[in-house]
Amino acid sequence: DIQMTQSPSAMSASVGDRVTITCRASQAISSSLAWFQQRPGKVPKRLIYDASYLESGVPSRFSGSGSGTEFTLTISSLQPEDFATYYCLQHYIYPRTFGQGTKVEIK
Amino acid sequence: EVQLVESGGDLVQPGGSLRLSCAVSGFTLSDHSIDWVRQAPGKGLEWIGRTRDRANSYTTEYAASVKGRFIISRDASKSSLYLQMNSLRTEDTALYYCTALIDDYWGQGTLVTVSS
Repeated sequence: DIQMTQSPSAMSASVGDRVTITCRASQAISSSLAWFQQRPGKVPKRLIYDASYLESGVPSRFSGSGSGTEFTLTISSLQPEDFATYYCLQHYIYPRTFGQGTKVEIK
Repeated sequence: EVQLVESGGDLVQPGGSLRLSCAVSGFTLSDHSIDWVRQAPGKGLEWIGRTRDRANSYTTEYAASVKGRFIISRDASKSSLYLQMNSLRTEDTALYYCTALIDDYWGQGTLVTVSS
């Protein structure tokens, strides 16, 4: 199975901060990666697909990059509604695997 | 409006069985692959399986943690799919979501608790 390792596991940040979350795959997965946001008590929501494509309706402060084994999710200016847990998901091969999550908390 | 509604979650003893249902509306089930994803209390997301669409003969894939114990099936006439869970373990305790991951459609989840 492909292991997806996110870093950091948790972080504290302030409104307006630039935030970067990294996801590393244990083997190359091309650009077959998605990023999800999950707010407390809510269903996950996809933000980015195929590593760098923004879902319709997702604010442009979110961006994704990377290919192969290393990927990043960047929030250019953190907003109050962005405090949540973020997960990467590889859909290159089965079984699909999520990263362990990155919890973004208010500083 | 697209909807996925899970049901069937319950408290079950270790070693027991349970069948979850996922009723879909607003799209044609046979044209979509559907995944099951679970989330243990306070933990992250875990992909556990997929049933592919009609074009791919409804074939299935499973995570190692559930392979041989869980079975995904469909009933097109009822626009529903199912997750048959056997030989349940305490570590299967989680909120179970059905989701069309490709399209980012999610249900609200149904809670399964495995405990004696």
